[in-house]
Amino acid sequence: NAGVTQTPKFQVLKTGQSMTLQCAQDMNHNSMYWYRQDPGMGLRLIYYSASEGTTDKGEVPNGYNVSRLNKREFSLRLESAAPSQTSVYFCASSESVINQPQHFGDGTRLSIL
Amino acid sequence: DQQVKQNSPSLSVQEGRISILNCDYTNSMFDYFLWYKKYPAEGPTFLISISSIKDKNEDGRFTVFLNKSAKHLSLHIVPSQPGDSAVYFCAASGKGGTASKLTFGTGTRLQVTL
Repeated sequence: NAGVTQTPKFQVLKTGQSMTLQCAQDMNHNSMYWYRQDPGMGLRLIYYSASEGTTDKGEVPNGYNVSRLNKREFSLRLESAAPSQTSVYFCASSESVINQPQHFGDGTRLSIL
Repeated sequence: DQQVKQNSPSLSVQEGRISILNCDYTNSMFDYFLWYKKYPAEGPTFLISISSIKDKNEDGRFTVFLNKSAKHLSLHIVPSQPGDSAVYFCAASGKGGTASKLTFGTGTRLQVTL
């Protein structure tokens, strides 16, 4: 039961480097999401994809881009990493965006020096 | 502006007793509410949800109560077990275009003691 798989699990970057976080789900879900979690805060939505071929901004989209590669895969890209982007990143998926629980991967722990 | 608030950062309960985790929200447009459990180094795991047309939903040992007039949500765990020790997040979403956007609380760390 893979569910939502995120790669890599850990990454250390230098300021200014670029990085793509990968996410894949095997539940045939239509909708996918990227969140970040910072100490003492709840998860905050970065971007989401309601269905294949669409993407929209969430609460904290600045400094990020996303690609919905196909129904299974949704990637998050940091073009020029900044220390403020040090965080734990979670990918999630759901059957649809309307009143359906989102299922999460185990996260990518990203440190930017 | 924190639209979903979990005012208790931590809670300790004896095994076998009831655990009650609370959550308050300020946005009257929220109409779908969820509870997630999170263990260290893992992603949040969905526990239970409730739509605003209901005031109670049960699933085994877990019951969620919704008081719309008070804008208050609670999760009851009966009986509490050591494996329930984790951080619990409540989350909410609205209608229409905001349905996709889950707003999370900051979490409550539950410790179930022997």
